[in-house]
Amino acid sequence: SAVISQKPSRDICQRGTSLTIQCQVDSQVTMMFWYRQQPGQSLTLIATANQGSEATYESGFVIDKFPISRPNLTFSTLTVSNMSPEDSSIYLCSARQYTDTQYFGPGTRLTVL
Amino acid sequence: QKEVEQDPGPLSVPEGAIVSLNCTYSNSAFQYFMWYRQYSRKGPELLMYTYSSGNKEDGRFTAQVDKSSKYISLFIRDSQPSDSATYLCAMSGRDNYGQNFVFGPGTRLSVLP
Repeated sequence: SAVISQKPSRDICQRGTSLTIQCQVDSQVTMMFWYRQQPGQSLTLIATANQGSEATYESGFVIDKFPISRPNLTFSTLTVSNMSPEDSSIYLCSARQYTDTQYFGPGTRLTVL
Repeated sequence: QKEVEQDPGPLSVPEGAIVSLNCTYSNSAFQYFMWYRQYSRKGPELLMYTYSSGNKEDGRFTAQVDKSSKYISLFIRDSQPSDSATYLCAMSGRDNYGQNFVFGPGTRLSVLP
């Protein structure tokens, strides 16, 4: 299994600012993903973080709003740009290893005022 | 038809009861089936992982997959208040469009002491 950490665990931000969330995996993984989870809701995939190339975004999510980096096989960042209160959510990083299972980080709880 | 369907609950049971959680799916390409447990304000934790049809047991938890019916179940025996969480089913497989990994919406379970 993979152990995943995220920083920060939570933050309160002002409208119009940006926040970068870091995700670190304790071993090399084939794929990394970013999800959003609204309170009481299921997981919504934002994008797949590709190592060495641009992320692959799901419908409804764009690079200008959620730029993603993945400089190596164990680390990725997600930036939430020009935030509004609608961006308040839990942001989760996940990783997939050799099998078709995914492991999740503890999440970053974001509140935008 | 949604790709994965799961009763959102909430499901309340007394301590010691047997709990049955279920998901149905429509994509016959799914080969890997998982159950995640998510406590409030935490990231999802991989609970059970099954490949193809059959049963898998781990302590008080049993996962069943019936690919012919496109139906998966998670049974929890001797349920405890600490089992109170949201349970998400997930499944993955490769089809003509590539790798497909889908989560159910989750079932919220409360085990009452």
